[in-house]
Amino acid sequence: GAVVSQHPSRVICKSGTSVKIECRSLDFQATTMFWYRQFPKQSLMLMATSNEGSKATYEQGVEKDKFLINHASLTLSTLTVTSAHPEDSSFYICSVLRDYNEQFFGPGTRLTVL
Amino acid sequence: KQEVTQIPAALSVPEGENLVLNCSFTDSAIYNLQWFRQDPGKGLTSLLLIQSSQREQTSGRLNASLDKSSGRSTLYIAASQPGDSATYLCAPYTGFQKLVFGTGTRLLVSP
Repeated sequence: GAVVSQHPSRVICKSGTSVKIECRSLDFQATTMFWYRQFPKQSLMLMATSNEGSKATYEQGVEKDKFLINHASLTLSTLTVTSAHPEDSSFYICSVLRDYNEQFFGPGTRLTVL
Repeated sequence: KQEVTQIPAALSVPEGENLVLNCSFTDSAIYNLQWFRQDPGKGLTSLLLIQSSQREQTSGRLNASLDKSSGRSTLYIAASQPGDSATYLCAPYTGFQKLVFGTGTRLLVSP
């Protein structure tokens, strides 16, 4: 498998502030990482694909200027929620892509915007 | 657009029962398919990966099958235990290595 960590696990912020979430691949160099969000009692929705050294590819309907993704190394991708608002409150989960098209997920970050 | 449906949405059983969770997808042109479990407030744990050339995969008490032509996958859990209580998610891989998730089956196994 692969070991993936996320930091922080929980964050509470005021409306209008920016929040950065880190996703680390601890035992494997990940060329490709993915970011998902999950609303309560709903399934995971892919937000963007993060490729090391290049710009992220965003899914339709996801604002790239609001959700900034940086994949500067093979072990770290960051998601920054800019000018967060209460509707951005959600569970954000990252994953890394390994061999044979298999994804392994981090523990998630719970974002609450007041 | 790929759509994934999981039936049942929720399932409550006594310990020891054998279970079948169903997953169907609308576009049979998939690559691999992965089954996950998610505990409340947690990330996803990979259970089984069925590669596109395979028809089934086994790990311990879990067995997953894949029938691409009919757009179906099933997860069989033998001798269920309270620790199996979680939400089970099915996700086929579409193009560009992307996963599409179903809404899951919430399983509760009572002692």
